[in-house]
Amino acid sequence: QKEVEQNSGPLSVPEGAIASLNCTYSDRGSQSFFWYRQYSGKSPELIMSIYSNGDKEDGRFTAQLNKASQYVSLLIRDSQPSDSATYLCAGDSSGGGADGLTFGKGTHLIIQP
Amino acid sequence: DAEITQSPRHKITETGRQVTLACHQTWNHNNMFWYRQDLGHGLRLIHYSYGVHDTNKGEVSDGYSVSRSNTEDLPLTLESAASSQTSVYFCASSDRTGGADTQYFGPGTRLTVL
Repeated sequence: QKEVEQNSGPLSVPEGAIASLNCTYSDRGSQSFFWYRQYSGKSPELIMSIYSNGDKEDGRFTAQLNKASQYVSLLIRDSQPSDSATYLCAGDSSGGGADGLTFGKGTHLIIQP
Repeated sequence: DAEITQSPRHKITETGRQVTLACHQTWNHNNMFWYRQDLGHGLRLIHYSYGVHDTNKGEVSDGYSVSRSNTEDLPLTLESAASSQTSVYFCASSDRTGGADTQYFGPGTRLTVL
């Protein structure tokens, strides 16, 4: 069974610091990975996607993928109180087919002012 | 602007009743998905569709059905609601921008089965 594992937290980070969120996955055939942010009572919102090994940067966010280690991470620089949310890591199925994503249970991030 | 909507946003029903949750997207996406989200389980896939008249079972499909008669809509039906189906339900749709299946979520429906 495909699994995506995340530490549930809460992860507490001071405002202005770097928040580091981590995720491991079991399906070695997964091609694409996604980070979603979910505020309490709201729907998941796409933050980043990453398909290739290495780093991908978008503003204050950097996603990192290491397929050999089956590891995905999200770095948030200059953390703001508005970044406080649950962050969901997701991976697609083997072969990249459009048959849904497998989600981790999420990491609850708290940015302390 | 293109969007994805769900209705109702909140629903209370009784055990044994049939319930249908609506999902409508104006992105013109071929792929649509239904997930449920529960504490301790995260998001789990119920059913998905690649296009009109196509439906597929996901990880937790028992007790649910879908049908796809057009591109825009994928209603989710609970044939005989059970208390275990109390959850928040999210609909999503996707395109394959850049080769990856990027999914966009609706606002969710909170369903309570008494």
